[in-house]
Amino acid sequence: GQNIDQPTEMTATEGAIVQINCTYQTSGFNGLFWYQQHAGEAPTFLSYNVLDGLEEKGRFSSFLSRSKGYSYLLLKELQMKDSASYLCAVRDNYGQNFVFGPGTRLSVLP
Amino acid sequence: KAGVTQTPRYLIKTRGQQVTLSCSPISGHRSVSWYQQTPGQGLQFLFEYFSETQRNKGNFPGRFSGRQFSNSRSEMNVSTLELGDSALYLCASTMTTGAGDTQYFGPGTRLTVL
Repeated sequence: GQNIDQPTEMTATEGAIVQINCTYQTSGFNGLFWYQQHAGEAPTFLSYNVLDGLEEKGRFSSFLSRSKGYSYLLLKELQMKDSASYLCAVRDNYGQNFVFGPGTRLSVLP
Repeated sequence: KAGVTQTPRYLIKTRGQQVTLSCSPISGHRSVSWYQQTPGQGLQFLFEYFSETQRNKGNFPGRFSGRQFSNSRSEMNVSTLELGDSALYLCASTMTTGAGDTQYFGPGTRLTVL
């Protein structure tokens, strides 16, 4: 089967650092993606990992461990505009379907 | 470069009717995927089209169908609408680069079934 787990909700303070975890079990693996989705809007691409390790993009970093079926998205210097849902997705079956997790709703408080 | 466009943005239908949604991918992208998003189920994959052929299909009933035209535009059709079909329907076009596949989502069509 295919299963992707993320925490449902997280809260953090403006200026802080937050780590959003994602664990997955899928048939095949061809990349893990993180998307940001603001309420009422479409998801937007944040990051892509296919090899183990950390990928850094400005205030956002994403980590992958394929042996553990685990990834995290790290957001630094949080801003109010970072309040959104963060979706973890895996491309499975060696380049076929995208399987999305339920999303983590992040609230950034002043 | 224009983004993914979807029409219509909002739609209200009644049970038993059918509906057709349209998606135009980013120019040069040949892969189009459709998703259904609901508060309870999250984003669920419907199907993917590549060069006018259905390449993948999710676990949805046969009432959900789609097609892709030679210009890569895609349509999704839902027949015999049910209340549970009320959702945001998202279309995404995929670009393949050395960094892998990246999906770009359109704004979605919000379908309400009464």
